[in-house]
Amino acid sequence: DAGITQSPRHKVTETGTPVTLRCHQTENHRYMYWYRQDPGHGLRLIHYSYGVKDTDKGEVSDGYSVSRSKTEDFLLTLESATSSQTSVYFCAISAGRGGEKLFFGSGTQLSVL
Amino acid sequence: EDQVTQSPEALRLQEGESSSLNCSYTVSGLRGLFWYRQDPGKGPEFLFTLYSAGEEKEKERLKATLTKKESFLHITAPKPEDSATYLCAVQANGQNFVFGPGTRLSVLP
Repeated sequence: DAGITQSPRHKVTETGTPVTLRCHQTENHRYMYWYRQDPGHGLRLIHYSYGVKDTDKGEVSDGYSVSRSKTEDFLLTLESATSSQTSVYFCAISAGRGGEKLFFGSGTQLSVL
Repeated sequence: EDQVTQSPEALRLQEGESSSLNCSYTVSGLRGLFWYRQDPGKGPEFLFTLYSAGEEKEKERLKATLTKKESFLHITAPKPEDSATYLCAVQANGQNFVFGPGTRLSVLP
């Protein structure tokens, strides 16, 4: 258990509304990631962070923004949710001797109606 | 572009019936290949890391192997509790990981 908590676990929202998902870690890991998982696509990287206020885009970053003001918290924001953003969102941290292993949270099921 | 494919998409086995899952990859500068297990409604759980061709890792009924173009996850005498989706991922130059779509394994009693 890498001490990763995601909230909320489930959310239903309407198109055009802003949504923020939270990832909290308790073990002071430097790297944190946001992935989305969709059938047939596997896990795709949205954004990642390599330190406080240090973030970068991943493969599918359009329509998403992130913030990391504290080591332990990494927030993912959908500024104006669309139905194509209906997905399961996973937060992860990298650990292991070389930071080579990913450990995942339990996920957030987001439905945009 | 780094890519990972997995086959088959789904696999049904009888308890005790051994088989293998395939992960094929194209990547520039492989730093590591990873296998994860994912149960429904949960996040992926780390199983193995392989770093170079010829390397093998084992854990209970699972054995992962690596060549220059693919990796296999061999499942020996599986049990129903081995039912899950198995994900393969590669880490190339830089820190980021590329995941395959997964193989959904069902082991019937």
